[in-house]
Amino acid sequence: NAGVTQTPKFRILKIGQSMTLQCTQDMNHNYMYWYRQDPGMGLKLIYYSVGAGITDKGEVPNGYNVSRSTTEDFPLRLELAAPSQTSVYFCASSRQGQITGELFFGEGSRLTVL
Amino acid sequence: AQKITQTQPGMFVQEKEAVTLDCTYDTSDPSYGLFWYKQPSSGEMIFLIYQGSYDQQNATEGRYSLNFQKARKSANLVISASQLGDSAMYFCAMRENNNNDMRFGAGTRLTVKP
Repeated sequence: NAGVTQTPKFRILKIGQSMTLQCTQDMNHNYMYWYRQDPGMGLKLIYYSVGAGITDKGEVPNGYNVSRSTTEDFPLRLELAAPSQTSVYFCASSRQGQITGELFFGEGSRLTVL
Repeated sequence: AQKITQTQPGMFVQEKEAVTLDCTYDTSDPSYGLFWYKQPSSGEMIFLIYQGSYDQQNATEGRYSLNFQKARKSANLVISASQLGDSAMYFCAMRENNNNDMRFGAGTRLTVKP
């Protein structure tokens, strides 16, 4: 049972480059999330989606874009990478948005922008 | 807007002793869920325990229990009989009924001493 799968696990970018972090889940969850975690800090919500075709901004959306064309996939796009985007990125999903639904996390993607 | 506060950046506990990790929250939604996650040094996020705002009893899961004081808006995690493997970052999180996202506190780093 794969759960939530993120790729790549590690990536180094140069300033100004662009890239896409891939996230896919096989649990048929409607809700998906992208968080970033800076060193020694908590998780901050970037974007989330409540279903295919629907996305919404979180706390720190600037510099990122998302799309949700299928239930399974929720890619995160970084345009014009900046050093401030150096972080660990987590994708997560939950069955529904109700208050009882815990998040299932991927293993994280460590991004360094130089 | 919801807000999660974890005031203890770091905690130490002797092996086999109990430890309490603090979490306070702020919300105007009467219906919400509170979650605790563990993040070991390997980086993955592990769900530990859940407490609903309308639950009459404090949640327990093995050695983990949640000291829920609704009037004080606190949801402290109690770990009994600490083990060396409990050394990790611990995050408190909240999900409101009227929001589709989950927000996290800054975390507490727990170190268990032999």
